[in-house]
Amino acid sequence: AQTVTQSQPEMSVQEAETVTLSCTYDTSESDYYLFWYKQPPSRQMILVIRQEAYKQQNATENRFSVNFQKAAKSFSLKISDSQLGDAAMYFCAYKVDKIIFGKGTRLHILP
Amino acid sequence: DAGVTQSPTHLIKTRGQQVTLRCSPKSGHDTVSWYQQALGQGPQFIFQYYEEEERQRGNFPDRFSGHQFPNYSSELNVNALLLGDSALYLCASSLVSGHYTDTQYFGPGTRLTVL
Repeated sequence: AQTVTQSQPEMSVQEAETVTLSCTYDTSESDYYLFWYKQPPSRQMILVIRQEAYKQQNATENRFSVNFQKAAKSFSLKISDSQLGDAAMYFCAYKVDKIIFGKGTRLHILP
Repeated sequence: DAGVTQSPTHLIKTRGQQVTLRCSPKSGHDTVSWYQQALGQGPQFIFQYYEEEERQRGNFPDRFSGHQFPNYSSELNVNALLLGDSALYLCASSLVSGHYTDTQYFGPGTRLTVL
């Protein structure tokens, strides 16, 4: 069965510091997509970053980057220069045909 | 460019009733997926519609049904509501690209409360 595990239910980081959110997944597929979505209190699920499994290069979007380790089935998200607006639930997700989400990590930004 | 829209924002129903939720996809998108997000959990896939047909389905009972219209908008219907159906219902749209759908963009959700 395809599963996505986020082992950190909550994390806190000081404003302007760097934080890494962990995600592991289980699959027998070789071709798939991985995503990090952000869900602020407004509830809108916002795409943060996307990685195609066939690409070895780690995806980067401004202050957000991933560490994709395909053999280890690991897909962590690094947020640099954390800002107050980064406070939200972060969901790791895996997709072949449908999206499977992890349970999320709530990120607090400390001023 | 309008994003994904959903209506209504909030809804309160009683057990046994039926409910219909609506979704309009992002401009240019042809595929709509529905998710149920219980409090404190990640979204769970209900089903996906493409070309007005149910393309895939998650592990949800037949009480959950849907429809897609020629303009790509979609409805989610839930019959015989249970207390456990209380959740945030998210709609996501995407564009079919070859065998797979591309990145999904989510709407703001409909909060359903069943009393």
